[in-house]
Amino acid sequence: GAGVSQSPRYKVAKRGQDVALRCDPISGHVSLFWYQQALGQGPEFLTYFQNEAQLDKSGLPSDRFFAERPEGSVSTLKIQRTQQEDSAVYLCASSLGTGSSYEQYFGPGTRLTVT
Amino acid sequence: RKEVEQDPGPFNVPEGATVAFNCTYSNSASQSFFWYRQDCRKEPKLLMSVYSSGNEDGRFTAQLNRASQYISLLIRDSKLSDSATYLCVVNIPYSSASKIIFGSGTRLSIRP
Repeated sequence: GAGVSQSPRYKVAKRGQDVALRCDPISGHVSLFWYQQALGQGPEFLTYFQNEAQLDKSGLPSDRFFAERPEGSVSTLKIQRTQQEDSAVYLCASSLGTGSSYEQYFGPGTRLTVT
Repeated sequence: RKEVEQDPGPFNVPEGATVAFNCTYSNSASQSFFWYRQDCRKEPKLLMSVYSSGNEDGRFTAQLNRASQYISLLIRDSKLSDSATYLCVVNIPYSSASKIIFGSGTRLSIRP
């Protein structure tokens, strides 16, 4: 079946531009996570949705980062006024349940380069 | 101290060798532990969950040591295809929820 998809796969933005990254989770998955992964590092947690509710946004690095999942399926991560330090791979993951024991299925990521 | 720490490696071992690496975690209340595998420029994929009693899946064995707060991954009879980065994942309880924390990964390279 279809896995988690993300678009675009690659994005180059000029410093100061706004970007929007999309995540389509596996159908029926309740939980959705966004991570930021810098080169040579593990994924760093950004935010977590349970259905349409954003239950944890403690990992968002600044108020320039905003995420939504209005209908409990597709999610968008928006970064306003991008900075060079925002350059990273942004990974989306979904899981069937709400507990931390559920396997997370990752999308291929969006590689953001801010010039 | 980081919440989840791993030796970054790289571990460079010959095909057929046995290799093991550990991951330490700081929160004694953590309950869920996993090993994920990430190939270069690909997304992480679950390799195995780690259960209290330890568990084995083919050539892979995972162990949990709660007293010393670490988990381990042992790979026997390593194959070239095992070359990847292995990410340790731990849940960190807080308030009424918990957060999933990834380690920085251990790079493994298997040589012919």
